[in-house]
Order: sequence, then C-alpha cells, then structure tokens
Amino acid sequence: AQSVTQPDIHITVSEGASLELRCNYSYGATPYLFWYVQSPGQGLQLLLKYFSGDTLVQGIKGFEAEFKRSQSSFNLRKPSVHWSDAAEYFCVLFNYGGSQGNLIFGKGTKLSVKP
Amino acid sequence: NAGVTQTPKFRVLKTGQSMTLLCAQDMNHEYMYWYRQDPGMGLRLIHYSVGEGTTAKGEVPDGYNVSRLKKQNFLLGLESAAPSQTSVYFCASGGSQETQYFGPGTRLLVL
Repeated sequence: AQSVTQPDIHITVSEGASLELRCNYSYGATPYLFWYVQSPGQGLQLLLKYFSGDTLVQGIKGFEAEFKRSQSSFNLRKPSVHWSDAAEYFCVLFNYGGSQGNLIFGKGTKLSVKP
Repeated sequence: NAGVTQTPKFRVLKTGQSMTLLCAQDMNHEYMYWYRQDPGMGLRLIHYSVGEGTTAKGEVPDGYNVSRLKKQNFLLGLESAAPSQTSVYFCASGGSQETQYFGPGTRLLVL
C-alpha cells in the first residue's frame, strides 16, 4: 500500500545549525513527492516537489531535498536554520495510480529552533 | 490575487447543527479538495472535485457533503455536526492533480 513515513515526530535544533528531516515512502512506481511546511495556525505552503530528473531539488526558503530511490527516501535539508523555520513539516506523496489521484501525507515532523 | 481563501476562520457548533464551509480560489484551477487535519494524523482527504459540477469521495467522506456549482468555489457541508468532526479543515486547489495550494484553514469545534 502507498504510504509516507516521517520517523521523527519532533526535532529541536539550534539556530544556525544544519537540519535534515527524514521521509520514507512506499510506492510501486516512480513517486511524485512534495514537502509542505505549516507554520503555527497557518495553512500549508509548498516548499518543493520532485517529479523526475535531477534527484536533488531546490525549494523556497533555502530548503532542498534529495530523492534516493534505493532507500525510498526523500529527506529535506537546510544548511543553516533560522528561528522562523520553526514549524511543522509534511512529506507528501501523490498517488497518481489510485482512483482518487490524491495526496498521501506523512504525519508530520515538528521543528523547534533554539536560540 | 488572493489564492485560496476559506470562510469562516473559526466556528463553534452544537451537536446536530448544520453549517457550510466556503472555499474560493482565484487561480482558475480545475481541481479542488477538502481535507481535515487532526493531531498526529496528517491531512486526510474528505471530498474533491475535478471540475465545475463534479464531486467525488475521498478517504473520509462520511458526514460531509460538497458542491461545486461554480469553478471558483467549493463548499463543504455538515448536515448534522458531531463532536468527531471537531477538526481543522483545509481547502486546496490545483491546476493539475499533483500540485495543490492550500487555504489558511477553518477551525471547527463541535460541542
């Protein structure tokens, strides 16, 4: 079955430190993958997406993600975290093989940033 | 260009009451979606629409109805609200199925 797993429920990093948020997926074909960010009390903003091609994708706000087919992973990275990055991050898979063509969400990773 | 907007932002209902949540988009998108977000659950698809006049069920459609009479609007109705429908509701739209843009959300509390 198609699924997305974000192993870390909550991560805390210091401001200026690097960040990596993990995401693993289960899908029978080449996946369409996304990372969304949700700031407290806000809607979801698209950070980046991977459909095909270059496995390292750049997004907004200095984020990037690397697609690794062999590991079924799509981890999100940022070299230097800012306090404004504190939010919840969702890894998302598009299930284009299903009748609904819907997005499958991971359960999210909440990022806290220490000053 | 407002993107995706949702009305209202917050609502409190009593069990058994009805209400309609409105989603509007100004991007001329064909696809529109309603999700609910519950703690520790991520987002789950309630209903969606692939064009004006069409609707379809998602993962958790029970207790909800939708209508898409105009391309830019997607309405979510609760005919008889239950406490289990306490949630944050997000609308999304997209010019393609894959890439969706989300509204700010509606917080609903059913007492």
